[in-house]
Amino acid sequence: GENVEQHPSTLSVQEGDSAVIKCTYSDSASNYFPWYKQELGKRPQLIIDIRSNVGEKKDQRIAVTLNKTAKHFSLHITETQPEDSAVYFCAAPGGSYIPTFGRGTSLIVHP
Amino acid sequence: SAVISQKPSRDICQRGTSLTIQCQVDSQVTMMFWYRQQPGQSLTLIATANQGSEATYESGFVIDKFPISRPNLTFSTLTVSNMSPEDSSIYLCSVETSGSRETQYFGPGTRLLVL
Repeated sequence: GENVEQHPSTLSVQEGDSAVIKCTYSDSASNYFPWYKQELGKRPQLIIDIRSNVGEKKDQRIAVTLNKTAKHFSLHITETQPEDSAVYFCAAPGGSYIPTFGRGTSLIVHP
Repeated sequence: SAVISQKPSRDICQRGTSLTIQCQVDSQVTMMFWYRQQPGQSLTLIATANQGSEATYESGFVIDKFPISRPNLTFSTLTVSNMSPEDSSIYLCSVETSGSRETQYFGPGTRLLVL
């Protein structure tokens, strides 16, 4: 099955700085890479995703990049704000459509 | 997207008892999933529930411990049986919609504490 590794486990930044979270995956059949944000006490929610036919996708302050050759993808958050503080999960489906989730990154944005 | 509700939102149970968690979706969906999220941990898939067939369980999870029902295309239940403190966790259901088969939409979760 798919194996997804996510780093770092914790990321602490000052408000306004950029944050980058990286994930690697093992199954070359993976072709869809979502990122979920989970605020404290809330459900995980999709914030951005990318498919294997594109290398980068942006949505306002967040972007995801994909390197299929190297089997890694990253989440970039620019101009971080305190409300960006949450746990972020990457995922990859492998040969099925059911995602395997990374371990999560706790992002803390200090005002 | 889909609107998903779960009942109960939280419960405190005694060891040895069972709890049934309900998941209701506002539209018909083919696949429903049950996840466990232990404190500070990632999301672990327990099983996939298709309407009209037996649930498919992931490694480490068995039907006797986590029986699942899927009576129709908008509803599913997960029972946590013969509970022990190690079952204390958040249980989340999720669905995929026909519009985006790989995207998971999660319910609000059921926070379970077993004493």
